[in-house]
Amino acid sequence: DGGITQSPKYLFRKEGQNVTLSCEQNLNHDAMYWYRQDPGQGLRLIYYSQIVNDFQKGDIAEGYSVSREKKESFPLTVTSAQKNPTAFYLCASSIEGAAAFFGQGTRLTVV
Amino acid sequence: AQSVSQHNHHVILSEAASLELGCNYSYGGTVNLFWYVQYPGQHLQLLLKYFSGDPLVKGIKGFEAEFIKSKFSFNLRKPSVQWSDTAEYFCAVKGTGRRALTFGSGTRLQVQP
Repeated sequence: DGGITQSPKYLFRKEGQNVTLSCEQNLNHDAMYWYRQDPGQGLRLIYYSQIVNDFQKGDIAEGYSVSREKKESFPLTVTSAQKNPTAFYLCASSIEGAAAFFGQGTRLTVV
Repeated sequence: AQSVSQHNHHVILSEAASLELGCNYSYGGTVNLFWYVQYPGQHLQLLLKYFSGDPLVKGIKGFEAEFIKSKFSFNLRKPSVQWSDTAEYFCAVKGTGRRALTFGSGTRLQVQP
């Protein structure tokens, strides 16, 4: 089945630790995105990538980093510099000019 | 910059009632418009989209939306809601030259049986 796989579904992190969220797609989409979802705030763009080895900051990139070494993969690292990392993280992909498809999301909790 | 406003944060309806959720966007150029739905415990799914042509677009599950360019609006409608429509609904916009969708804050719809 084609789709976007995010793992893990739930993630707990201690304060001060970096953590990496996985996102893999087998849709052959060029573009991939990371959004953060908080109650009452909708989805806010963290990073996006239009092509392999290239990515751009979104609206709330501070404290996050990404890489795009393969077309299928777009991992997101939440660093210790992110002041409020507890949130629901959504990965998406699309082809140019089309709607985005979303993964199931990863719920990150800092303990 | 592009932005999206959804003025209804929480809507409660009885089954068979009609639904209209407001969405206004801010962007000076050509836009693509979307409505996504997030059912409890499920991933975000596309309900419908507008790229060009007929401003009245029909989506899945009986939903439709009308693009009114002069009002910068893209309101979502359904003539008769069902309990299974209980979900959170997000309006999104992508302007020409922008690389990603901008989402509104979402509207939580609760349909009572």
